[in-house]
Amino acid sequence: DQQVKQNSPSLSVQEGRISILNCDYTNSMFDYFLWYKKYPAEGPTFLISISSIKDKNEDGRFTVFLNKSAKHLSLHIVPSQPGDSAVYFCAARGTRFQKLVFGTGTRLLVSP
Amino acid sequence: KAGVTQTPRYLIKTRGQQVTLSCSPISGHRSVSWYQQTPGQGLQFLFEYFSETQRNKGNFPGRFSGRQFSNSRSEMNVSTLELGDSALYLCASSFDPNTEAFFGQGTRLTVV
Repeated sequence: DQQVKQNSPSLSVQEGRISILNCDYTNSMFDYFLWYKKYPAEGPTFLISISSIKDKNEDGRFTVFLNKSAKHLSLHIVPSQPGDSAVYFCAARGTRFQKLVFGTGTRLLVSP
Repeated sequence: KAGVTQTPRYLIKTRGQQVTLSCSPISGHRSVSWYQQTPGQGLQFLFEYFSETQRNKGNFPGRFSGRQFSNSRSEMNVSTLELGDSALYLCASSFDPNTEAFFGQGTRLTVV
């Protein structure tokens, strides 16, 4: 039972353009969402998070949008840079369950 | 501030053996979680410890176990290793279960 889904296994974008990574979830008890970036042979690095009381959170080039009614969140990277090429995981957690549930990841490739 | 440290980084074991992996969290962090990453499966939650108590457990067989010590360091043990246990095992620490988790670089376990 995949409660957090990233339906696009890969995404290719040109340098300078916007990258949009999508994530859907099924459990309405989730109220805290996070994005992580992972390079090969390294652990995931925390990028940005959003609480369910918000619908948008920005941090520099990264913005996360949350649509609770659609149970959908997205990560926007503007402008995209070659160093952003990595696997991006979204994760969700509920206050009752607390454990982080991860999606299967989207591999982003930003070409010069 | 030192990050999450996992030892060893790489390990090769034979089927039927057992293995113990170690995780030292960020100083001051009391929550430690363990994840298994295999190709195409994303990060699968194993267990979470907070103040030496297991708070959550994922859907893994009893061969997978863990513990947390009074200094918040954690170990996970896998007994009777199977070929399918080959994976990257990631440890994450957080101040408490409701704050963002920071990952170590992982231990790459290969079972032959």
